[in-house]
Amino acid sequence: GAVVSQHPSWVICKSGTSVKIECRSLDFQATTMFWYRQFPKKSLMLMATSNEGSKATYEQGVEKDKFLINHASLTLSTLTVTSAHPEDSSFYICSAPDGLGSTDTQYFGPGTRLTVL
Amino acid sequence: QQQVKQSPQSLIVQKGGISIINCAYENTAFDYFPWYQQFPGKGPALLIAIRPDVSEKKEGRFTISFNKSAKQFSLHIMDSQPGDSATYFCAASYSGGYQKVTFGTGTKLQVIP
Repeated sequence: GAVVSQHPSWVICKSGTSVKIECRSLDFQATTMFWYRQFPKKSLMLMATSNEGSKATYEQGVEKDKFLINHASLTLSTLTVTSAHPEDSSFYICSAPDGLGSTDTQYFGPGTRLTVL
Repeated sequence: QQQVKQSPQSLIVQKGGISIINCAYENTAFDYFPWYQQFPGKGPALLIAIRPDVSEKKEGRFTISFNKSAKQFSLHIMDSQPGDSATYFCAASYSGGYQKVTFGTGTKLQVIP
């Protein structure tokens, strides 16, 4: 099956710094990727839809200036958490539909654990 | 309208037993219903999925039952094994690719020997 990777798998940073998380589709192209946030023992909450070659679409309540998304190529989307604060600590997960959207199957990355001190 | 309600929140089943997780949705425009399995510290993995034109789908020990009129669907895990211990999420989306997924609240399953 299709594989989605994320880097780094975990990161610890100081409050006020920015952190970049990469999401890559390894064996397929993805013009669309999705970014989710998951708090401990909670469900996944969609943050934004990343679109290759155009601006990301953010869900209501998500600060677009804080969570910068760049879909640089058909296999790479990045999420940058700017001026991170302890409340941004969470598990961030990306996903991508398989086969350029020809199916409904979405493949999820392994997630990135962000801890802001 | 976009919510997917899931129950129970947690479930303990003995090895060899049947695990049953239920979900309900409101938006009748949803037409793709996947189930995901998530282990601690990992991303969700697609387990099985169903579309509304089918009332049941079985893959190995996993079966989805779908009741379109009641807007409910459920996951049955037959012969549950300790390795099935994980958090399970039902979800719903529109079909046609590139569609965002709305997740249920999750069920933590523990299968005890």
